[in-house]
Amino acid sequence: EVQLVESGGGLVQPGGSLRLSCAASGFTVSSNYMSWVRQAPGKGLEWVSVIYSGGSTYYADSVKGRFTISRHNSKNTLYLQMNSLRAEDTAVYYCARCLGSGWYLVWGQGTLVTVSS
Amino acid sequence: SYVLTQPPSVSVAPGQTARITCGGNNIGSKSVHWYQQKPGQAPVLVVYDDSDRPSGIPERFSGSNSGNTATLTISRVEAGDEADYYCQVWDSSSDHPYVFGTGTKVTVL
Repeated sequence: EVQLVESGGGLVQPGGSLRLSCAASGFTVSSNYMSWVRQAPGKGLEWVSVIYSGGSTYYADSVKGRFTISRHNSKNTLYLQMNSLRAEDTAVYYCARCLGSGWYLVWGQGTLVTVSS
Repeated sequence: SYVLTQPPSVSVAPGQTARITCGGNNIGSKSVHWYQQKPGQAPVLVVYDDSDRPSGIPERFSGSNSGNTATLTISRVEAGDEADYYCQVWDSSSDHPYVFGTGTKVTVL
């Protein structure tokens, strides 16, 4: 069964760091395009980052220079390293597998990140 | 960057048809995907590549895309269809490739 399970969310102070993990099963992370998408409380969906199967990475302007997407092939896991966190980074973070010729998303269940003092 | 605009809300009586629009410049040239999100849950794909349905999604959900507007149509609306709906495209020419619509809250009266 194809599954994505996020972990690593929690409460962190402004300026702090957190690393999110997304453990995949039923497919190979390194052979797929993988994305992170977030949703602030009561708000819409915001794309955060993508890593292509070839290793190229891209980021939303709001997180560029602070967040890093990566993967561990032998663990079949996707990561999002988040540094210099701000209150506006508070959101549920979803990892997603990108599929099809039009690159639609299949989502994990999400993990909540709260940035507050 | 590419922008997708949706109406904030749509209200519909049970058994009637709900239509949710997604506006974007020449969106007809792109593949549009639609997600349903219920409170406290992750988004779920309901239509992909303009008009295809994933397995398990009722035939009541359909999509179309032409010109500057894509549309998600929900026929014979049920109470369980009440949710937020988001459109999404892949902008292959951009280094910000994933673009989401602003979201539409569907309320079943």
